[in-house]
Order: sequence, then C-alpha cells, then structure tokens
Amino acid sequence: EAQVTQNPRYLITVTGKKLTVTCSQNMNHEYMSWYRQDPGLGLRQIYYSMNVEVTDKGDVPEGYKVSRKEKRNFPLILESPSPNQTSLYFCASGGQGSSYEQYFGPGTRLTVT
Amino acid sequence: AQRVTQPEKLLSVFKGAPVELKCNYSYSGSPELFWYVQYSRQRLQLLLRHISRESIKGFTADLNKGETSFHLKKPFAQEEDSAMYYCALDAGNNRKLIWGLGTSLAVNP
Repeated sequence: EAQVTQNPRYLITVTGKKLTVTCSQNMNHEYMSWYRQDPGLGLRQIYYSMNVEVTDKGDVPEGYKVSRKEKRNFPLILESPSPNQTSLYFCASGGQGSSYEQYFGPGTRLTVT
Repeated sequence: AQRVTQPEKLLSVFKGAPVELKCNYSYSGSPELFWYVQYSRQRLQLLLRHISRESIKGFTADLNKGETSFHLKKPFAQEEDSAMYYCALDAGNNRKLIWGLGTSLAVNP
C-alpha cells in the first residue's frame, strides 16, 4: 500500500532532550516536507526536500533539523526541544508533475514539558 | 504577498442542504489550487485540484481568476462530509503549498 508513515505517533518529552521523528514513504517520491499544525495558525512548513541531499528551510525552521540521506526517509530532528514546539507534526511527500498531489502521514503529536 | 484566505472557521449545515466553503487567494502568477480534506482521526488527503476539473464525492470547485476565488461546493451535503477542509495554493516555488487556515464543516442530521 502506498503510504507515508511517521513514528512515533505520540510523544511526550522534556525540554532539552533531543528527539527524532521519522518519516518514510514508499512511493519513490522526490519531494518530502515537514509541517506543523497549530490552532489558529493552520499548517506551516518547517523544512522540505526536493531530492536526496537537497533540503531547504520552510517558513518556521528555527529549532529543527532535517536530513535526506535516502529517498524514502526524511527525519525531523529537534536537538533541544522547547515547549513552544508542542504541536501536531505532519510529514508529506509528492511526486513529479506540474500539478502534484501531496501525500500526508498520520501525524505525530508532540508535547514538550 | 501570496496568501490563501478561508473566511469561515466553522460552517454548519443540515443534511441535504447546499454547502459552499469559501477560498480566496492572492497570487501574482497563474495559480494552481487544491482542496484537501481531513476527516476525524484520519490523515489529510487531496480532495480535488482545479486543473483536473473533476467532481469528487459530489464536490466541485471552479477557479475564478477575476474574483481570485476557488470555492468548494456541493449541492446536497451528507453527514459523512463533516470534516476539516483546507484550501491550498501552489506557489510555484519549489512546490511549496500556501495553506488556508481551514474550515470545519459540520453536517447535521
């Protein structure tokens, strides 16, 4: 089944403890992206990747890192999480084409205390 | 500035009534627009895109460049249409999507 998977789905952690949220897609998509969703602010892009070893900042990259060593994986790294990074995180991927569709993962709900 | 505006945070209709979810955009180029839907406890998924001019689950959306709008319409709402709906604009810049804040549609029996 074509899909985007994220792990973990739920995570409660403490300020400053490094964490990684994994994202994997099995559709051979070049494009991958991370979003965070907050009440009243909608979906905001954190980082995106056009292909392996090609990443760039989105609208709210501060406090986050990403890497794209393989086409299928695009982990999101929080080196020193803070409470303002408490949010719902979505990974998405997309293929080629002038009018493309983004496929979303199920979301990771992160709470930083 | 590129922007997508969904003026209604919440829209409540009765089953069988027509529904229109508004989306306005600001973009200087030729826009590509999408509607995404998120049902309760499910992931966000594409509902329809303007370029394909299709009807999905009875929903249609027409791009009106004069009014810079891409409203989502359905003539007879069903309870299973209750969900969060997001309008998105392809900014043409490295595939970045500009998202509206979403409209929560509640279809009451």
